[in-house]
Amino acid sequence: QVQLVESGGGVVQPGGSLRLSCVASGFSFNDYGLHWVRQAPGKGLEWVTFIHYHGNNPDYIDSVRGRFTISRDNSKNTVYLQMNSLRAEDTAVYYCAKDKVPRTMDYLGQGTLVTVSS
Amino acid sequence: DIVMTQTPLSLSVTPGQPASISCRSSLSLLYSDGTYYLSWYLQKSGQSPQLLIYEVSNRFSGVPDRFSGSGSGTDFTLKISRVEAEDVGVYYCMQSSHVPWTFGQGTKVEI
Repeated sequence: QVQLVESGGGVVQPGGSLRLSCVASGFSFNDYGLHWVRQAPGKGLEWVTFIHYHGNNPDYIDSVRGRFTISRDNSKNTVYLQMNSLRAEDTAVYYCAKDKVPRTMDYLGQGTLVTVSS
Repeated sequence: DIVMTQTPLSLSVTPGQPASISCRSSLSLLYSDGTYYLSWYLQKSGQSPQLLIYEVSNRFSGVPDRFSGSGSGTDFTLKISRVEAEDVGVYYCMQSSHVPWTFGQGTKVEI
């Protein structure tokens, strides 16, 4: 079965950096795009970024473009989210999600909590 | 960005009775390939969201047939024919016809 396991969350000061990882299993990782979706405490869901199966031309929401970078290592079945210049409003649970061709997400992991606070 | 507006934001239902959630987009969700990319997710308490419906009306694997989706253009609906206790949680619609993909605010369903 499809499994997505996120890690790397924690507490970081404003302006700091953090790298999230998501290890995938149960499907042919090389053939699918991956997303990151976040949920601020007590709030709704927000799509953050997407990387294609080939790793080119990722998409980002405006609020993180230039600060966050999504990447993938197909040899490790892992997708990453490098988060720089973190702000308080980036505080959220970050979920990794598998893309469902052509345009949706079918499985999400359990999430990892990122807290940006001084 | 496309704004997704769900109504109602809260819904109290009786087991065995039907329930309906509306989702309206600020722009048509018709994609260039002729498909409406509108999905529905359920987030149960303490869990990650799970896909229920994709492309307006297609039930995802393992989703009971009491769940159905419909709509076109900018107006979409999720219906539960007979609510069961396990259906409680927050329901989100999501559009993926336009980047960035965006979610509705969520509808909390409780018994």
